[in-house]
Amino acid sequence: SQQGEEDPQALSIQEGENATMNCSYKTSINNLQWYRQNSGRGLVHLILIRSNEREKHSGRLRVTLDTSKKSSSLLITASRAADTASYFCATDREYGNKLVFGAGTILRVKS
Amino acid sequence: DGGITQSPKYLFRKEGQNVTLSCEQNLNHDAMYWYRQDPGQGLRLIYYSQIVNDFQKGDIAEGYSVSREKKESFPLTVTSAQKNPTAFYLCASSTDSGGAYNEQFFGPGTRLTVL
Repeated sequence: SQQGEEDPQALSIQEGENATMNCSYKTSINNLQWYRQNSGRGLVHLILIRSNEREKHSGRLRVTLDTSKKSSSLLITASRAADTASYFCATDREYGNKLVFGAGTILRVKS
Repeated sequence: DGGITQSPKYLFRKEGQNVTLSCEQNLNHDAMYWYRQDPGQGLRLIYYSQIVNDFQKGDIAEGYSVSREKKESFPLTVTSAQKNPTAFYLCASSTDSGGAYNEQFFGPGTRLTVL
């Protein structure tokens, strides 16, 4: 079963706007990761945030983690057409070393 | 160039056939993974291997088999026992056996279609 669930399922914005995607999960985690997938391609790792971290930045990406609410958000600032892709959160299982992926958010950035 | 390669990019299978998907990495990673992705869904783990000559079943291993004879190679065989094999298959690797503590690197994928 899927651990992470992304929200919204799809998001359409104009170039230059910010995009926010959310991920909720059910059980305790050690870390949460975000990945991007362009259509028909493999996944690309964006950022990893550990359970003892609350916020992490990488370029135009900002990830937050709230372990009390079992949720994370990915913010992409000043979006570009090239950001158009599906975005997935992935969590490790409490007693395993495997990742569990959510169903993803499809982001479309219109130029 | 370092990375993960998968071949073929597209694969067509007739009913009752076994097919093998190739996955090779030159990143010197210990752990390798196979995922299945269906349209509009996330990835589901088929098999994973933390070290050469060892592998474990994931969530949906039925109808699939793997081998890990070399560190750089982790082929996946889709057998005739897999009733609905049409999907996008992704291979990944990570630096150590605790893949959840490090990022996974993905190949470009193989799209399998059953005719």
